[in-house]
This record gives sequence, structure tokens and C-alpha cells, in this order.
Amino acid sequence: DQQVKQNSPSLSVQEGRISILNCDYTNSMFDYFLWYKKYPAEGPTFLISISSIKDKNEDGRFTVFLNKSAKHLSLHIVPSQPGDSAVYFCAATSPQGGSEKLVFGKGTKLTVNP
Amino acid sequence: KAGVTQTPRYLIKTRGQQVTLSCSPISGHRSVSWYQQTPGQGLQFLFEYFSETQRNKGNFPGRFSGRQFSNSRSEMNVSTLELGDSALYLCASSRWQFQETQYFGPGTRLLVL
Repeated sequence: DQQVKQNSPSLSVQEGRISILNCDYTNSMFDYFLWYKKYPAEGPTFLISISSIKDKNEDGRFTVFLNKSAKHLSLHIVPSQPGDSAVYFCAATSPQGGSEKLVFGKGTKLTVNP
Repeated sequence: KAGVTQTPRYLIKTRGQQVTLSCSPISGHRSVSWYQQTPGQGLQFLFEYFSETQRNKGNFPGRFSGRQFSNSRSEMNVSTLELGDSALYLCASSRWQFQETQYFGPGTRLLVL
């Protein structure tokens, strides 16, 4: 049972346009969400996070939106750049964490075309 | 500040063998977590160590074990390797236990033949 789902395995956008990556979760105990970016042959790199007490967090070109009622979060990249091409993982965690620590989605491969 | 380092970067083993992977966290970080990444399952949590104690464990068989040393360095061991253990094993460190942003190493690519 996948608790964090990224239903789009891949996404392709033009340079300068907006990239929107989506993530859905099923566990209502999750209260902290993170996005990681991963280049080939490298470990994931933390990008941005959001606590469940907020519905939006912005950091430069990256904005994460959280819709708790829909159990949905999204990452917006504006404007998209070719260097943003990577696999993006959504992750979630709950206060106690239990045996799951961070629960990751399977990732979305973003390709930004020049 | 140096990042998380993992050794070796690549490893080839045969079924039935055992393997030990090493992780050195960022200086000052006391929590080390291990993850397995496979194409089919994505990133899955293995276990977390903090102050030399295992604090959390994912749903993996007992063949997967680990330990943490007093300098926060961690090792992960997989015994009686199976073909399905072929994966990228990632280590991540954070300053404190849990809900802290984690910093990942480059991973160890394990291939079991």
C-alpha cells in the first residue's frame, strides 16, 4: 500500500514555463512534507519542505502548495530551467515517525527542454 | 563542510554472500538513516541510528542490519544476498533524530549476480 503517490512518472516542459509536480498521500497522520531532487549517480538533494500548519511555502523559483483536505501537495517551479531536469521525489513523515521515517513517492522525472 | 560520504560506490556480489556498506555523516550530525532505492519500489526506509542506537526500522527482513559508532559513522550489513537486493543504497544524515532535513550521500550501487 503506497502511502505517498506520484502518479506521473515523467513530465516534460519548455524552458521558461511552469513545471508542476504533484503528489498525493493517504496517511492523515503525515504532518511534514518534503521535496527532493535527484540527479543520476547522486543522492537526493533536499529542495523545499512544508509543515501541515501551512498551505504554501516559497523559496526562490520553487513553491510547494499543500491541500490537507485533499491530501495533495504540489511543487511549482517557475520559470523552469534546463538544469532543473532531474527526478523529483515527494516525501512525508508523521510526528512519531514510527517505523517508516520518511515515506517517499516513486518520483517524477522532469525534463526541461531548451 | 564535507557532505555525506558512502563507500564503496559500486559493488558486485553473488547470491549467498554478505556485504557491508559504510556511511560517514556530515560533521556534527548524529542521526544516520539508510534507504534502499529500486526502480520498482522507489525509495524505501531501512533503519535509522541515533547515538549508536537503532531508533526506527522499516519493513525489511532480518538479513538487513546496521550499526552506528561513537563518531556517528554507520555501517549497513546485508547477509545471504539475494538477486532482489540489487539496488542503490542511500545513507542520509541529520543533526538530530527525526523531522530534520536529511542530507543524502551519493549511494552505493550494489549488484547481486
